[in-house]
Amino acid sequence: AQKITQTQPGMFVQEKEAVTLDCTYDTSDPSYGLFWYKQPSSGEMIFLIYQGSYDQQNATEGRYSLNFQKARKSANLVISASQLGDSAMYFCAMRGALSQGAQKLVFGQGTRLTINP
Amino acid sequence: NAGVTQTPKFRVLKTGQSMTLLCAQDMNHEYMYWYRQDPGMGLRLIHYSVGEGTTAKGEVPDGYNVSRLKKQNFLLGLESAAPSQTSVYFCASSYSVRAWDGYTFGSGTRLTVV
Repeated sequence: AQKITQTQPGMFVQEKEAVTLDCTYDTSDPSYGLFWYKQPSSGEMIFLIYQGSYDQQNATEGRYSLNFQKARKSANLVISASQLGDSAMYFCAMRGALSQGAQKLVFGQGTRLTINP
Repeated sequence: NAGVTQTPKFRVLKTGQSMTLLCAQDMNHEYMYWYRQDPGMGLRLIHYSVGEGTTAKGEVPDGYNVSRLKKQNFLLGLESAAPSQTSVYFCASSYSVRAWDGYTFGSGTRLTVV
């Protein structure tokens, strides 16, 4: 079974600062994938970044990067030069296998990020 | 290209009433999923489907039924709504596992049962 732990219920940072959102995971599968999603106050789930367990390099997407430390089972999201529009709930999630090729996402409880001007 | 469309976006039900949430995708995805999100929590899987005519239970299936009569549609039914089913419901779809790169989520349905 997969488990995702996000230990920061809320974070407050100043605009333009970098921020790191923590995520640790647990799985017995040798192959797995980790995701970060952003959920603004409007409620939709926005995909940010993906890291495969066998990827040699940490994933990056614009201002988002994933600090993947496999031995420590951590997959922290780093947002560089934060903006007011980054204020949202952030979820870390792990891919898990279901029957007949379906894939579920197992989510952490989320971190609410607030960017102050 | 609409992606994944959920209807309705908001609904208030009385305890014991029934309703159906509709999810429609236009990407020819094989797999479709229903999740619920409770306050302060991540999403949890209710039911899923691996193709037209198939359904399977997820983590929290009790109190819900689903149907996938057409490949593009996945319906979630509440036969007798309970206050514990007050939640935000998300539908998602994906390609087969060989080309899997994550989900496409709908925008959610906020359901309140009073």
